[in-house]
Amino acid sequence: QVHLVQSGAEVKKPGASVRVSCKASGYTFTSYGISWVRQAPGQGLEWMGWISNSKGNTHYAQRLQGRLTMTTDTSTTTAFMDLRSLRPDDTAVYYCARDSGTYWGQGTLVIVSS
Amino acid sequence: DIQLTQSPSFLSASAGDRVTITCRASQDISSYLAWYLQEPGKAPKLLIFGASNLQSGVPSRFSGSGSGTEFSLTISSLQPEDFGTYYCQQVNSYPITFGQGTRLEIK
Repeated sequence: QVHLVQSGAEVKKPGASVRVSCKASGYTFTSYGISWVRQAPGQGLEWMGWISNSKGNTHYAQRLQGRLTMTTDTSTTTAFMDLRSLRPDDTAVYYCARDSGTYWGQGTLVIVSS
Repeated sequence: DIQLTQSPSFLSASAGDRVTITCRASQDISSYLAWYLQEPGKAPKLLIFGASNLQSGVPSRFSGSGSGTEFSLTISSLQPEDFGTYYCQQVNSYPITFGQGTRLEIK
């Protein structure tokens, strides 16, 4: 069965960077893309971007352009989300999902606080 | 960007009730709409894709309809495990967007 397992919670200071990983299993990794979605405390779902696991092309949310990088490692079937210049309002649970959301990781809490 | 507006934002209902949630898109998205249920503290779960296609393993009491700009999700007979927050999502074009959510609570 399909599993997406994310890395553990992170606490970062403003201005720092964070990397969240998403290990995929149970399907052919290169046949599907990976989306990243975040959810601030008590708020709704915010799409961050998508990456093709076969070609590596990406689509990012405009408001995160310049701070966000999505990559994949097909040898380990792992996707990565890097967010730079963190601000307190980046505090959220970050989810990876197969394609637009057929299967989801368990979520990774990122707290940005001084 | 395509805006999705869900209504109502909050719904209180009892087990056994029939409920409908609507999602309106700011422009034509054909049938490129999905519905999710998120229980507190959990990741969203896909219920419906392509506006009306039931995801594998999802009970048949869930159904979706609509195309263009008007969509709905209907639960024919609410069960205790159906309570949580429902989101619609358009995948017609980037950026992918979500509705603001409909919180369904037990009356």
